[in-house]
Amino acid sequence: DAMVIQNPRYQVTQFGKPVTLSCSQTLNHNVMYWYQQKSSQAPKLLFHYYDKDFNNEADTPDNFQSRRPNTSFCFLDIRSPGLGDAAMYLCATSGRDRRKTQHFGDGTRLSIL
Amino acid sequence: AQSVSQHNHHVILSEAASLELGCNYSYGGTVNLFWYVQYPGQHLQLLLKYFSGDPLVKGIKGFEAEFIKSKFSFNLRKPSVQWSDTAEYFCAVIPISSGSARQLTFGSGTQLTVLP
Repeated sequence: DAMVIQNPRYQVTQFGKPVTLSCSQTLNHNVMYWYQQKSSQAPKLLFHYYDKDFNNEADTPDNFQSRRPNTSFCFLDIRSPGLGDAAMYLCATSGRDRRKTQHFGDGTRLSIL
Repeated sequence: AQSVSQHNHHVILSEAASLELGCNYSYGGTVNLFWYVQYPGQHLQLLLKYFSGDPLVKGIKGFEAEFIKSKFSFNLRKPSVQWSDTAEYFCAVIPISSGSARQLTFGSGTQLTVLP
């Protein structure tokens, strides 16, 4: 089945130690998104790629970066995780029309020690 | 910027009860509207969507939602809930007017617990 796959499901890292979360998709969608979702809160968009064009949200901390080496893969890099970065990170994709439905992965739950 | 309000944070119902979850948005232009559901331990799944046409839309698993433009609302309904409907429900909005940011904005979610 075509889908959005996030690895790992659970990630534990130490305060200040860089961490990378990965997302892959078999939908061949143009757009890939990264959201941060904290407990009992709405998912918050961090940034998205439209093909190779990177679009950062104004309030996304500099600590968060992303890479999209090809259509299928997108990575979220957190350079120096702080305790406040502990959250669920969701990857989503959509087709060329960004107004239409987004398809989500299972998420990666990040814990900071 | 647009915002989405879900006024019920936690709803508890018995099986066979009727459900209505409220969703209001603030945006003056034209929008696409979505309800997503997140079952425990699973990813966000699309329940239903409204782009245009009949304001009463039917989704999966017997859910429906009605878009009332004058009230900026898109409430979710189900006539008779089941234990398996226990999940978190998110309303989401994306503006489609030209020049608007193509950002999907979520409400804070409503946790539905259905008691057997």
